[in-house]
Amino acid sequence: EIVMTQSPATLSVSPGERATLSCRASRSISNSLAWYQQKPGQAPRLLIYGASTRATDVSARFSGSGSGTEFTLTISSLQSEDFAIYYCQQYNNWPPYTFGQGTKLEIK
Amino acid sequence: QVQLQESGPGLVKASQTLSLTCSVSGVSTRSGSYYWSWIRQPAGKELEWIGRIYTSGGTYYNPSLESRVTISIDTAKNQFSLKLTSVTAADTAVYYCARGPVTPYYFDHWGQGALVTVSS
Repeated sequence: EIVMTQSPATLSVSPGERATLSCRASRSISNSLAWYQQKPGQAPRLLIYGASTRATDVSARFSGSGSGTEFTLTISSLQSEDFAIYYCQQYNNWPPYTFGQGTKLEIK
Repeated sequence: QVQLQESGPGLVKASQTLSLTCSVSGVSTRSGSYYWSWIRQPAGKELEWIGRIYTSGGTYYNPSLESRVTISIDTAKNQFSLKLTSVTAADTAVYYCARGPVTPYYFDHWGQGALVTVSS
């Protein structure tokens, strides 16, 4: 099973600033990585797949990069609606598909 | 638009079977373009993929749950279902149903989630 490790666990950023979230895979997953945003009481929402492709209707403020074992989600110019928990998920080696433990993005 | 909606008992007694159904609208479960999955999330914890099913009925399960899980599909009703046997308190979680393209397999549409509590 591939273990996904996200860092940091909590990230405090001021509105208008940039946030950089990291996700590491325990072994290479090529670019088979997705990012999700989850707000309290809601289901996760797909943001990025293929490590860098934005999903439908996702703001261009969200960008993904990386391949192999190291991945990054960058959110430029944070807005109030961006404060949430973000999860990465690998789909290269399965079963099972595995998720990271999440990064909570909070207002500084 | 694509919508998924979970339904089923919110309270299950320990050692019994958890049963949930996901009703799908806006897309047919007969479509060969998608897999249909169940994912769960204990309170304050990360997401755990339970298993997936294809329109043909073919399934894959998380090895950690495989001995207790059955996922089935009813394309006539445009639904798919989850059964988890011999539940314990550790199975208390919000259960989500989700859709994903056959390849590559991420989850592009999710249900709102159903909280299932296992009571002793």
